[in-house]
Amino acid sequence: RKEVEQDPGPFNVPEGATVAFNCTYSNSASQSFFWYRQDCRKEPKLLMSVYSSGNEDGRFTAQLNRASQYISLLIRDSKLSDSATYLCAVNFNTGNQFYFGTGTSLTVIP
Amino acid sequence: DGGITQSPKYLFRKEGQNVTLSCEQNLNHDAMYWYRQDPGQGLRLIYYSQIVNDFQKGDIAEGYSVSREKKESFPLTVTSAQKNPTAFYLCASSISRSYNSPLHFGNGTRLTVT
Repeated sequence: RKEVEQDPGPFNVPEGATVAFNCTYSNSASQSFFWYRQDCRKEPKLLMSVYSSGNEDGRFTAQLNRASQYISLLIRDSKLSDSATYLCAVNFNTGNQFYFGTGTSLTVIP
Repeated sequence: DGGITQSPKYLFRKEGQNVTLSCEQNLNHDAMYWYRQDPGQGLRLIYYSQIVNDFQKGDIAEGYSVSREKKESFPLTVTSAQKNPTAFYLCASSISRSYNSPLHFGNGTRLTVT
């Protein structure tokens, strides 16, 4: 079983739609959680950290459910520029290792 | 500006040759990492280092070697023992003192071995 799993998609949504991605992790001792955005043939860039109480940054909302061991990312009012691959990352409490999901591909359609 | 610099951006080698990928950071981060990304497989950890002169194997270390002689530098050597070296290689760093500190990535090196 992979340490971190994501639905690869692709998700094709119209502009203005709300879309949500989930990411499950296997290690209950995981310490910290992040969402990254990766554009085609580029490096991943930090989108936002995920805090226990949930957090919001503009149109983006991240949530953590420790009991069910998943994190989620909600994008409201999707823009064409949101088209990218979204990667979740989990920092396990063993040697400060980061594990990544395979990424979820999002395409926002005009 | 602070950041992580990987070079070169594209690298072409013949099978059987060792090749070294450069990674330098001026963020004063303690921890540095090497990941490999293949289509549809996400990022897989090759090696990581929490402190100078110390490093640990990740999930796919076979065929790779690293050194961490300076805090700023974490070069990765892809040896001829690596069976499928063609991939996108990403170097990253973080402040290892805090588990809540995210990874910051360099812009990657695309290695093609023929």
